[in-house]
Amino acid sequence: GEDVEQSLFLSVREGDSSVINCTYTDSSSTYLYWYKQEPGAGLQLLTYIFSNMDMKQDQRLTVLLNKKDKHLSLRIADTQTGDSAIYFCAERALGSSNTGKLIFGQGTTLQVKP
Amino acid sequence: NAGVTQTPKFRVLKTGQSMTLLCAQDMNHEYMYWYRQDPGMGLRLIHYSVGEGTTAKGEVPDGYNVSRLKKQNFLLGLESAAPSQTSVYFCASSYGGALAKNIQYFGAGTRLSVL
Repeated sequence: GEDVEQSLFLSVREGDSSVINCTYTDSSSTYLYWYKQEPGAGLQLLTYIFSNMDMKQDQRLTVLLNKKDKHLSLRIADTQTGDSAIYFCAERALGSSNTGKLIFGQGTTLQVKP
Repeated sequence: NAGVTQTPKFRVLKTGQSMTLLCAQDMNHEYMYWYRQDPGMGLRLIHYSVGEGTTAKGEVPDGYNVSRLKKQNFLLGLESAAPSQTSVYFCASSYGGALAKNIQYFGAGTRLSVL
């Protein structure tokens, strides 16, 4: 079945770069997403990438997509303490054109140490 | 700019009690979703709706019912709460459509404890 896998925890020092990785199973995914969840809050969309792109950059965020390996990564440059949160990778579910369903990974907790 | 609003924010129930969680969106979105979030398990889809008057089962529908009588509202009901339903519940909505990016917008969550 469809599955999205992420490592559960990442710890970095303030000012370093963070790289959060994700693997997915549905090779027909059209869009892939990164969401951020701050403590006690809902999920907020950080960025997304269309499947015909290899890379997308948005200020401190860089998304890399390797379709051959079904691997998605999110790089945060100059990580700040305010970036501490849970980051979710998501793909559109198979056959979801009429439902919009997304499959989420387990979430990666990013801890930024001062 | 309310977006997606969930009520209540917190609730404690005793086993066997019933309750309804309300989700309201003001973005005129067609699609709405209910998820539960448990530690280490990410988000799991409970039920969803692709339009007013329609509902469908998600990944973990047992023990829950939903209704979408108005486009802007999506209700999640627990008829007889069980401790296994202790979780954080999130509602989301999206514009919908086959060609859409289908970005889902989330509410702030309802933290439910069943004793």
